[in-house]
Amino acid sequence: EVQLVESGGGLVQPGGSLRLSCAASGFTFSSYWMHWVRQAPGKGLEWVSRVNNDESSTNYADSVKGRFTISRDNAKNTLYLQMNSLRLEDTAVYFCARGSMVGKGARYFDLWGRGTLVTVSS
Amino acid sequence: QSALTQPASVSGSPGQSITIYCSGTSSDVGGYKSVSWYQQHPGKAPKLMIFDVGNRPSGVSNRFSGSKSGNTASLTISGLQAEDEADYYCNSYTSTSTVFVFGTGTKVTVL
Repeated sequence: EVQLVESGGGLVQPGGSLRLSCAASGFTFSSYWMHWVRQAPGKGLEWVSRVNNDESSTNYADSVKGRFTISRDNAKNTLYLQMNSLRLEDTAVYFCARGSMVGKGARYFDLWGRGTLVTVSS
Repeated sequence: QSALTQPASVSGSPGQSITIYCSGTSSDVGGYKSVSWYQQHPGKAPKLMIFDVGNRPSGVSNRFSGSKSGNTASLTISGLQAEDEADYYCNSYTSTSTVFVFGTGTKVTVL
């Protein structure tokens, strides 16, 4: 089955760190760009970050730049998001999403995980 | 990079057609054929409904259609059904460092 499963969410204090994981299965993970998208409680979707297939290219939303780091392990079919210096406003459900197959130039997200909740609170 | 502008809510009766607009700028919606639309039911993951302005993924009903004019994209749902009640988000590639931007979201209610 083609799927993405996030894990690693939880409660963390402001200024703390957390690492999210996203396990991919059912497709050739190493051939795709991958993204993180988040959704604060009761709010809309916000694109967070993306990484290309071999980790040579990454991009971040201005709101997380310098604090979050996206990475991947193609041998483990897993995407990561290292979140440091967490703020109250980082509280959200974090979704991983599949982007374009390498070389296709697609600019949309065609497969989503169910998300993992990160709560930043003292 | 500000979020794309969508109406907070749109409603219609079963069988009717509704259109959701997504307003951006020449740096995002108007500059690329890279507008996509997502449906999200409460507590669920978003689902891709339209990509590249007006293309439907396999398995998505042909009652959903998309288009774009200038800096504004639109999603039309025809033959509205109860199962269409959900939140809808547009998304566009952008020329800014943020790369992708979502719309503010629209809650569709089937009366």
